[in-house]
Amino acid sequence: AQKVTQAQTEISVVEKEDVTLDCVYETRDTTYYLFWYKQPPSGELVFLIRRNSFDEQNEISGRYSWNFQKSTSSFNFTITASQVVDSAVYFCALSDGEDSGGSNYKLTFGKGTLLTVNP
Amino acid sequence: DADVTQTPRNRITKTGKRIMLECSQTKGHDRMYWYRQDPGLGLQLIYYSFDVKDINKGEISDGYSVSRQAQAKFSLSLESAIPNQTALYFCATSDLTGTVKNIQYFGAGTRLSVL
Repeated sequence: AQKVTQAQTEISVVEKEDVTLDCVYETRDTTYYLFWYKQPPSGELVFLIRRNSFDEQNEISGRYSWNFQKSTSSFNFTITASQVVDSAVYFCALSDGEDSGGSNYKLTFGKGTLLTVNP
Repeated sequence: DADVTQTPRNRITKTGKRIMLECSQTKGHDRMYWYRQDPGLGLQLIYYSFDVKDINKGEISDGYSVSRQAQAKFSLSLESAIPNQTALYFCATSDLTGTVKNIQYFGAGTRLSVL
């Protein structure tokens, strides 16, 4: 069974601090996808990134960066120079891939990390 | 306009009432999903549909039913609402091809309260 663990329930930082959100996953599939979603206080779910299990390159998008390490089954998310607008719940999620023989449909979500950025 | 539209955005109902939540999408995706979110529990899959003729139960389908009226429309019904179905409900869509393959795009959510 697939599992996603976000051990940090809540994080509070002061604006301009860097913050890393941890995500550890479990799967028996050889191919899979990892995702991060953002849920701001308004409630909608916003897609941030998808990573294929074959691609371990780290990715940077503006102040956001992601560190994928298969050896430790982790897919961590770092926000550099945090801003108040970054305040949200962040979800890490996992789905199986086409070659695994799995269903390739279901996102398994972690329970989320509430990030509060204070001015 | 949003690509994935959920109606209503908020709903208050009473125990035992039948209620329908609607979802429509303009993304042209074949796959559609219904999730519920409870505080501190992440999202749980209720039902999913790969096309109009293919509907499947998710992990928490008891007490719910769905209808895929067209490629663009996927409705969730609570036949007899109960208080523990109070939650935030999300519809999502995804495609199997292209650069956005397997990315699920979510609607804005429907906040349901069952009294």
